[in-house]
Amino acid sequence: GESVGLHLPTLSVQEGDNSIINCAYSNSASDYFIWYKQESGKGPQFIIDIRSNMDKRQGQRVTVLLNKTVKHLSLQIAATQPGDSAVYFCAENQAGTALIFGKGTTLSVSS
Amino acid sequence: DTGVSQNPRHKITKRGQNVTFRCDPISEHNRLYWYRQTLGQGPEFLTYFQNEAQLEKSRLLSDRFSAERPKGSFSTLEIQRTEQGDSAMYLCASSSETGGSFFGPGTRLTVL
Repeated sequence: GESVGLHLPTLSVQEGDNSIINCAYSNSASDYFIWYKQESGKGPQFIIDIRSNMDKRQGQRVTVLLNKTVKHLSLQIAATQPGDSAVYFCAENQAGTALIFGKGTTLSVSS
Repeated sequence: DTGVSQNPRHKITKRGQNVTFRCDPISEHNRLYWYRQTLGQGPEFLTYFQNEAQLEKSRLLSDRFSAERPKGSFSTLEIQRTEQGDSAMYLCASSSETGGSFFGPGTRLTVL
């Protein structure tokens, strides 16, 4: 599968590959993190979240990893499909505050 | 549909006009947020309500912008004397006190 060591604005993969999208967050006090998927002309769609007391959480075909030591978040998508093509954003916050969004990564999946 | 809804979906206006957008959150959510998103960027926070109380406003929210949530349910965002720089997607999101934020489809504003 393809992976991104540091944040890159685009990621291109083949259908069926695993994708890894990385995000560096800014606030060491943040205790809640979310990955969103945004398709063109639509609002961000909630994918998966993780709290700071965890380092891994799995959903359907997606896994989020949190490394608080280096303030790094990643989203792994298994068996990437053309319908996964979108812009992916990570977001962070502390309880009761608004989300702060990272820079998006555009995922392109070719069949 | 039990998701967040926003109206209108698109708005084209002339510079100097006032516009108002509406957001209907998920019914059991007491928190409501407004964000603005420009092309190629992530959403930027504008303001936040818990029930009817406006608890936080970004410095991005100039005095031409005002938001209300009078009964703790739907919210409106008004922009007075619109400028071309106000052209953006305006997103509304809602959440419970402990859960993630769910976004609406947005209102695309174009100021001519």
